[in-house]
Amino acid sequence: DQQVKQNSPSLSVQEGRISILNCDYTNSMFDYFLWYKKYPAEGPTFLISISSIKDKNEDGRFTVFLNKSAKHLSLHIVPSQPGDSAVYFCAARASYNQGGKLIFGQGTELSVKP
Amino acid sequence: DAGITQSPRHKVTETGTPVTLRCHQTENHRYMYWYRQDPGHGLRLIHYSYGVKDTDKGEVSDGYSVSRSKTEDFLLTLESATSSQTSVYFCAIKRQEGADRQYFGPGTRLTVL
Repeated sequence: DQQVKQNSPSLSVQEGRISILNCDYTNSMFDYFLWYKKYPAEGPTFLISISSIKDKNEDGRFTVFLNKSAKHLSLHIVPSQPGDSAVYFCAARASYNQGGKLIFGQGTELSVKP
Repeated sequence: DAGITQSPRHKVTETGTPVTLRCHQTENHRYMYWYRQDPGHGLRLIHYSYGVKDTDKGEVSDGYSVSRSKTEDFLLTLESATSSQTSVYFCAIKRQEGADRQYFGPGTRLTVL
């Protein structure tokens, strides 16, 4: 049972345009969400996060939106750059969670073309 | 740089052999995690540790054991490797109590023939 889903395995965007990566979840007890970026042959690196008490968090070119009623979050990258080409994972934590365990989605591979 | 190293970085082994992967951190953090990454599955938690000798199972713990005898080292053991355990394994740490952000090591690519 996949509690965090990224239904688009891949996304291709032109440089300078907006990239929108989507993530859906099923567990209403999730209270904290994160996005990670992963380059080939490297470990995932933290990108941005959002608490369930907010609906938007912004950090430079990256903005995460949370729609709790729809159990949906999205990551917007504006403007997209070729260096943003990577696999993006969303992750979630449940409020009752012990040990800080995160549940990850399957990942979306973003390709930004010059 | 999260101060995490993993060894070995690559390993090829045969079905039925034991394999131990090592995660080493330099910052004395309490929480450490082992994940596997597979296409179509993202990252899945195998085991985690919340202190020396304190460990617990994750969602895909069958076939794996862990040990943590020192704060800085978290070992993942495949007692008898199977082809289904071919994967990329990542270790992660959590830097602060109550924080949710995890920092990942560079990964170990394991191939079981």
